[in-house]
Amino acid sequence: GAVVSQHPSWVICKSGTSVKIECRSLDFQATTMFWYRQFPKQSLMLMATSNEGSKATYEQGVEKDKFLINHASLTLSTLTVTSAHPEDSSFYICTLYGGSKSTDTQYFGPGTRLTVL
Amino acid sequence: SQQGEEDPQALSIQEGENATMNCSYKTSINNLQWYRQNSGRGLVHLILIRSNEREKHSGRLRVTLDTSKKSSSLLITASRAADTASYFCATDATGTASKLTFGTGTRLQVTL
Repeated sequence: GAVVSQHPSWVICKSGTSVKIECRSLDFQATTMFWYRQFPKQSLMLMATSNEGSKATYEQGVEKDKFLINHASLTLSTLTVTSAHPEDSSFYICTLYGGSKSTDTQYFGPGTRLTVL
Repeated sequence: SQQGEEDPQALSIQEGENATMNCSYKTSINNLQWYRQNSGRGLVHLILIRSNEREKHSGRLRVTLDTSKKSSSLLITASRAADTASYFCATDATGTASKLTFGTGTRLQVTL
């Protein structure tokens, strides 16, 4: 397998503030990172696809100006929730794919729980 | 929505019994994967079955895939209380650059 970390694991913030979530691969270089979110008692929904060195591709209905994704290197991607509101409260999960681990498997981060007051 | 459907939505069984969960999807796929999620935690990859495979085993898990019916099943044999979790199927559809589309999930409760 592969080791993927997310930081922070949980965060509580006030409405209107911005929150940055890091997704880091500890033992392999990933060409592609995916960001998902999961609302309580629901399934995961893909937000965006991030390839190293290029702009992220967002799924329909996801505001690219609100959810800023930076894929700075093959081992680090960040998701910034700008001007967060209570409806952004969710579980955000990154996954890594490809690169030095050429399998069909995506490697999941442990997730970040965001609560916006 | 391209999201897959899983049934049942919730399943409660006693320890030692078998649990079967079903997943249906809508598009052609490269592979289908099953994941487990304990409450409030991240996802754990259980098993991947490719489109040209019909059945796969891993320990107490057995997965089947019927591409003609666009459906898959996950069987957990001799269940344990520790199997209590939500289970999701996820499809890697052809032509989507490995994006995963998750099913709605089945909440499994295994009681002593």
